[in-house]
Amino acid sequence: EDQVTQSPEALRLQEGESSSLNCSYTVSGLRGLFWYRQDPGKGPEFLFTLYSAGEEKEKERLKATLTKKESFLHITAPKPEDSATYLCAVQAVSNFGNEKLTFGTGTRLTIIP
Amino acid sequence: KAGVTQTPRYLIKTRGQQVTLSCSPISGHRSVSWYQQTPGQGLQFLFEYFSETQRNKGNFPGRFSGRQFSNSRSEMNVSTLELGDSALYLCASSPIVDSGWMFFGSGTQLSVL
Repeated sequence: EDQVTQSPEALRLQEGESSSLNCSYTVSGLRGLFWYRQDPGKGPEFLFTLYSAGEEKEKERLKATLTKKESFLHITAPKPEDSATYLCAVQAVSNFGNEKLTFGTGTRLTIIP
Repeated sequence: KAGVTQTPRYLIKTRGQQVTLSCSPISGHRSVSWYQQTPGQGLQFLFEYFSETQRNKGNFPGRFSGRQFSNSRSEMNVSTLELGDSALYLCASSPIVDSGWMFFGSGTQLSVL
């Protein structure tokens, strides 16, 4: 069964203190890995898609990287508005031959001014 | 461009009742997926519809059902509600079928008493 594990569950950082969030996965037939951001009371918002090991994507203070077993979301000099829950999702081919998306439980990030 | 619209925003029901939730996707998006989000389990996939056909279904009991109309709007129904059905139900639309790149609505918060 496909598994997606995110760590840590929660992370508190001072404003400007860089860090990384981890998403490790066990799937057969990876088709893509997705990062989403979710603010309280809202649905997830798409951030990045990564398709192959070695790929990197950047957006403002965020950079996502992918290896064969895990992905990292690096946050450089974060600001309070970066506070949110960050979700990782892995897309793989299911036993029925169609695409299946499995989400991790997320990392709740808090940036303290 | 309007985002994904879910109604109602909040619902309170009692055990044994049934409920229907509605989702209007982004204009032009024909793929609609439904997810259940709870604090302990994270996002769990319910089903995906494309052009009025259910393409994929998650591991939920038959009490959970859905449909999609010719205008791509979708509804999901839960019959014989149980306390454990209390959750945030999220709808997501995508211009591409079987895609992890999705646009989520803000969800319907269902409380079962």
